[in-house]
Amino acid sequence: GAVVSQHPSRVICKSGTSVKIECRSLDFQATTMFWYRQFPKQSLMLMATSNEGSKATYEQGVEKDKFLINHASLTLSTLTVTSAHPEDSSFYICSARPQTRANEKLFFGSGTQLSVL
Amino acid sequence: GESVGLHLPTLSVQEGDNSIINCAYSNSASDYFIWYKQESGKGPQFIIDIRSNMDKRQGQRVTVLLNKTVKHLSLQIAATQPGDSAVYFCAEASMEYGNKLVFGAGTILRVKS
Repeated sequence: GAVVSQHPSRVICKSGTSVKIECRSLDFQATTMFWYRQFPKQSLMLMATSNEGSKATYEQGVEKDKFLINHASLTLSTLTVTSAHPEDSSFYICSARPQTRANEKLFFGSGTQLSVL
Repeated sequence: GESVGLHLPTLSVQEGDNSIINCAYSNSASDYFIWYKQESGKGPQFIIDIRSNMDKRQGQRVTVLLNKTVKHLSLQIAATQPGDSAVYFCAEASMEYGNKLVFGAGTILRVKS
């Protein structure tokens, strides 16, 4: 099956710093990638839809200036958590769907556990 | 469909028994449904999917049932094994909403040996 690689898997940072998370589709091209956040013992919450070559579409309540998304190529999307605070600590997961299969399942990365001190 | 501040329900089954995990979805326009399995600290892993023009689909040891009338989805796991212990999420998508995948609340499955 298709592989989505997410890096880093775990990051600890100080409050006020910025953290970048990378999401790569390894063996397929993805026009669209999705970023989710998951708090402990809760479901995945969609944060934004990352579109290659254009601006990301953010879900209601998600601050676009805080969670910067860049989708520079058909295989790479990045999420930057700017000026991170302890309440941003969470499990961030990216996903992608092959370009040619627009209405089929998403493939997920392995997630990034962000801890802000 | 975000679930905020809710504790996930837990289903405990004996090894070898069948498991049934239920999910109520929210959008009557959803036309594609997926079950994912998530182990601790990992991303969701695809189990099985079903489109709205079907009411049942079988995979290896798993069956998904869809009841569009009451917006209900279930996942049946036959001969449950300890390796099946995980959190299970249903997810829904619709062409109308750009095929964004929205996750349900999730169920913890614990398999007792």
